[in-house]
Amino acid sequence: EVQLVESGGGLVKPGGSLRLSCAASGFTFSGYSMSWVRQAPGKGLEWVSSISSSSSYMYYADSVKGRFTISRDNAKKSLFLQLNSLRAEDTAVYYCARGGDAPDRWLQAYWGQGTLVTVSS
Amino acid sequence: EIVLTQSPGTLSLSPGERATLSCRTSQSVSSSYLAWYQHKPGQGPRLLIYGASSRATGIPDRFSGSGSGTDFTLTISRLEPEDFAVYYCQQYGSSPPLTFGGGTKVEIK
Repeated sequence: EVQLVESGGGLVKPGGSLRLSCAASGFTFSGYSMSWVRQAPGKGLEWVSSISSSSSYMYYADSVKGRFTISRDNAKKSLFLQLNSLRAEDTAVYYCARGGDAPDRWLQAYWGQGTLVTVSS
Repeated sequence: EIVLTQSPGTLSLSPGERATLSCRTSQSVSSSYLAWYQHKPGQGPRLLIYGASSRATGIPDRFSGSGSGTDFTLTISRLEPEDFAVYYCQQYGSSPPLTFGGGTKVEIK
């Protein structure tokens, strides 16, 4: 069974930093792209960032480019998102998601339960 | 960036009725890269349909997807109580950026 468990969320002041983690199990982690998607309170889903299976390619939404960094550790079956220079508008539940099988690599085939990030003074 | 517009914003229906959800894209999307997700409060979203019309693993056959070009549809043939949720379409392309529609809430009438 595919399982994705996010952690690392919390309350942080504007301008602060946070590192989110996603622990994966139930599949060959190194064989799939991974993504982060967020949902702000009362809003819809917003794609944040994606990384290819071997970390060769990383993509970011314009809203987070230059502030967030995605990475992964295939040996530890873990995905990360470093959030810097946080703003109030980054407040959201952040979901980790696994990609699909080729050619649907960038699909979000499986999702975690999410971790809440609150940016407030 | 491709913009996805979902309609209606809210759909009020009774169990057993048919639900038809629309997703229009600002430019033509390869049918290979259009997905639908179901999202319930307190849970992670669930993939329903990918490639515009392929059901994901374990998804009941009352869910079906269709469409091409700029017009796509998710149909739930007969609503079950567990189907009341928010539904999102997404274009995921051959590479990011990825974009979601604004969502359609299917609520109990």
